[in-house]
Amino acid sequence: AQTVTQSQPEMSVQEAETVTLSCTYDTSENNYYLFWYKQPPSRQMILVIRQEAYKQQNATENRFSVNFQKAAKSFSLKISDSQLGDTAMYFCAFIKGGSNYKLTFGKGTLLTVNP
Amino acid sequence: EAQVTQNPRYLITVTGKKLTVTCSQNMNHEYMSWYRQDPGLGLRQIYYSMNVEVTDKGDVPEGYKVSRKEKRNFPLILESPSPNQTSLYFCASRRSKSYNEQFFGPGTRLTVL
Repeated sequence: AQTVTQSQPEMSVQEAETVTLSCTYDTSENNYYLFWYKQPPSRQMILVIRQEAYKQQNATENRFSVNFQKAAKSFSLKISDSQLGDTAMYFCAFIKGGSNYKLTFGKGTLLTVNP
Repeated sequence: EAQVTQNPRYLITVTGKKLTVTCSQNMNHEYMSWYRQDPGLGLRQIYYSMNVEVTDKGDVPEGYKVSRKEKRNFPLILESPSPNQTSLYFCASRRSKSYNEQFFGPGTRLTVL
């Protein structure tokens, strides 16, 4: 079974600074996808960024980028120029190729951006 | 607007009183699923459905039922709710055989007294 581990239950960062959230996963699969979801106080689940395992190039979406280390099974999220609106719970998630298409989530990291 | 809707958004009930949380999507997605979110545990899958009349258990199915009679709807049924089912519930949908974005509903906060 796949597992996703987020080792930082809580983090904080000053506005305009950079922060990195860590995520590791365990799988024997070779074909899979990784995601970071953001959950602000509104509780809505918002997709932040997505990475295909077969792609070596790290995904980037504006201020959000990932450091995908396939051999180490690591998938960290870097937020640059942090904004107050980035305050949220962040979940790392994994999905393997196959018939289930189940997302397996980590336990989450609560990020607080301080003014 | 493409969306997943859930009703009710908030519900307080008592132990043993049957309830249904509805989920509907307007994107013609084949795949739908239910998750529960608990503090310190992240989101865990309860049930999923690959298409109409095709459902299967996720990681935490005990105490829940689902049905998929229509493609757009995937209700979650608690026949005899218990306090340990107090949680935040999310319905989600995606196109079948797609690894792209899974669309989530707004969540249902359920409290069982």
